[in-house]
Amino acid sequence: DAKTTQPPSMDCAEGRAANLPCNHSTISGNEYVYWYRQIHSQGPQYIIHGLKNNETNEMASLIITEDRKSSTLILPHATLRDTAVYYCIVSKTGNQFYFGTGTSLTVIP
Amino acid sequence: DAGVTQSPTHLIKTRGQQVTLRCSPKSGHDTVSWYQQALGQGPQFIFQYYEEEERQRGNFPDRFSGHQFPNYSSELNVNALLLGDSALYLCASSKIQAGNTEAFFGQGTRLTVV
Repeated sequence: DAKTTQPPSMDCAEGRAANLPCNHSTISGNEYVYWYRQIHSQGPQYIIHGLKNNETNEMASLIITEDRKSSTLILPHATLRDTAVYYCIVSKTGNQFYFGTGTSLTVIP
Repeated sequence: DAGVTQSPTHLIKTRGQQVTLRCSPKSGHDTVSWYQQALGQGPQFIFQYYEEEERQRGNFPDRFSGHQFPNYSSELNVNALLLGDSALYLCASSKIQAGNTEAFFGQGTRLTVV
């Protein structure tokens, strides 16, 4: 079963930062936080993952709270192509995931 | 470098039939996981293969079985198809290690059971 809670939907203006929250209050010490997104029934696309430190790559930033019970995915300058369903997942192995229903992000022109 | 490839992309089968779906992992990956995604839902973990053996299994009946070959490619077999098996079937590959790895997904096979 999914161990994360995300809002079902969010809107973001094009060019603005999109901040997607995720609660994972029962996360264990050896579980990573992963973010994937899925655009219109294509295969999920890896975005970023982290254990306890904040992480940044060319796509996004991941902010994990000190107690690790929640995190935020930040898309710094959202474009229309970022419209997708975003999944926050916790996993020990990084290759066995229990997805929830995710957050449907709509970027508005 | 090819990513994860799945075949076929679409498939229509009749209730009661059997189906085989195929997956070739990303180069350098040795672990393959299969997921079922019903319309409007997140992907559900079916099982994972490593070293040609099923290592982990989700809550799916025995009608769902799989195989991994020496070249790390994998097949998903579903017997006695039900209408409820209609879904997008996703394959993900990764390099086996404990944590701090990422899985890459294929584009999926859309199975319709009529």
